[in-house]
Amino acid sequence: AQSVSQHNHHVILSEAASLELGCNYSYGGTVNLFWYVQYPGQHLQLLLKYFSGDPLVKGIKGFEAEFIKSKFSFNLRKPSVQWSDTAEYFCAVTGEYNFNKFYFGSGTKLNVKP
Amino acid sequence: DGGITQSPKYLFRKEGQNVTLSCEQNLNHDAMYWYRQDPGQGLRLIYYSQIVNDFQKGDIAEGYSVSREKKESFPLTVTSAQKNPTAFYLCASRRLAGSSYNEQFFGPGTRLTVL
Repeated sequence: AQSVSQHNHHVILSEAASLELGCNYSYGGTVNLFWYVQYPGQHLQLLLKYFSGDPLVKGIKGFEAEFIKSKFSFNLRKPSVQWSDTAEYFCAVTGEYNFNKFYFGSGTKLNVKP
Repeated sequence: DGGITQSPKYLFRKEGQNVTLSCEQNLNHDAMYWYRQDPGQGLRLIYYSQIVNDFQKGDIAEGYSVSREKKESFPLTVTSAQKNPTAFYLCASRRLAGSSYNEQFFGPGTRLTVL
């Protein structure tokens, strides 16, 4: 079965620092990739998604992610974080042969110090 | 105001009791999902349904049951057979028509505590 790894469990940054959160998946065929964010006390919401085309995807709030097929990776980046980016971030990948099934990583908690 | 509602927000039950968590969506989405979120483990799929009266097991279906009698509703029952039911439960829905890469929309969750 598909599996998703997020190696950074807890990241602490100061405001204006750059962010990169890692996401690796196991199945190398055609997949759809997503990053979700869960702000404290709020619903999970979509940051960005990739399905085909340009491997550099731009999302909301200045986030972007790069799909590198050869590395089975879909890392999330932001050039300059703000205190309001404090949240938990989840990478999700569709299953092999089944685009209706989603696999989530364990999440990365980001704390941004003002 | 379209969205997904889950009720209640907090639920307490005694060990050995079955409990049903509600999930309703008014987004006219075809597919609905139930996840369990535990600290450090991310979201794990319990069940999902792509159409009324049909559903599939996810990766951790043991001790849970679902029904999909209406398109907008997908209740989850946590049975007494579930060994460790205390968790945060998230419901999601997704439009199937149009593309394979439509994202999921999530509800606010129900925190279940079994005493």
